[in-house]
Amino acid sequence: GIQVEQSPPDLILQEGANSTLRCNFSDSVNNLQWFHQNPWGQLINLFYIPSGTKQNGRLSATTVATERYSLLYISSSQTTDSGVYFCAVEAAGNKLTFGGGTRVLVKP
Amino acid sequence: DGGITQSPKYLFRKEGQNVTLSCEQNLNHDAMYWYRQDPGQGLRLIYYSQIVNDFQKGDIAEGYSVSREKKESFPLTVTSAQKNPTAFYLCASSRGFGANVLTFGAGSRLTVL
Repeated sequence: GIQVEQSPPDLILQEGANSTLRCNFSDSVNNLQWFHQNPWGQLINLFYIPSGTKQNGRLSATTVATERYSLLYISSSQTTDSGVYFCAVEAAGNKLTFGGGTRVLVKP
Repeated sequence: DGGITQSPKYLFRKEGQNVTLSCEQNLNHDAMYWYRQDPGQGLRLIYYSQIVNDFQKGDIAEGYSVSREKKESFPLTVTSAQKNPTAFYLCASSRGFGANVLTFGAGSRLTVL
């Protein structure tokens, strides 16, 4: 099956800093989603982005499907951005596969 | 507001007992999913259902069972055959299967004593 690797595994930021999270995948995909899991376990969909670039407030994401990676940008980080960020991908006709996540801690 | 409700939020079980986790959605979604999350890990797919009265095994289905008798409901039973059932269980749904945005419930944390 498709392999999904996220980096870095852990990230500590000072409030106000910018950061980039990366998701590499091993095969062509027709579905790629970024999620944020808060400290209480709730997962929220951030982006549905199989290709191209999207922005939502301080967050943006870019997927370069031909090179099999996606990037999630966090700008002007806030303490509420803390949690785990997951990338999930789906090859055609297959199931969504999650990466191992990037654990982010934003310090005040 | 539309969403997914999982219950119970916390559950304790003795070894050898079966337990059923509830998942109800009012989003009118056709597809529903169950994932398992272990501490510090990503999510792994247990079972999924593309439509009412149909479901398929995911990557780690052994020791689990599901039913999909109603569009809104997709309960998961953790049986005594599951060797290591202590985990965080997440239910999700999507409008259709494949290339669709997933919406998650708040999760159920199962601890086996």
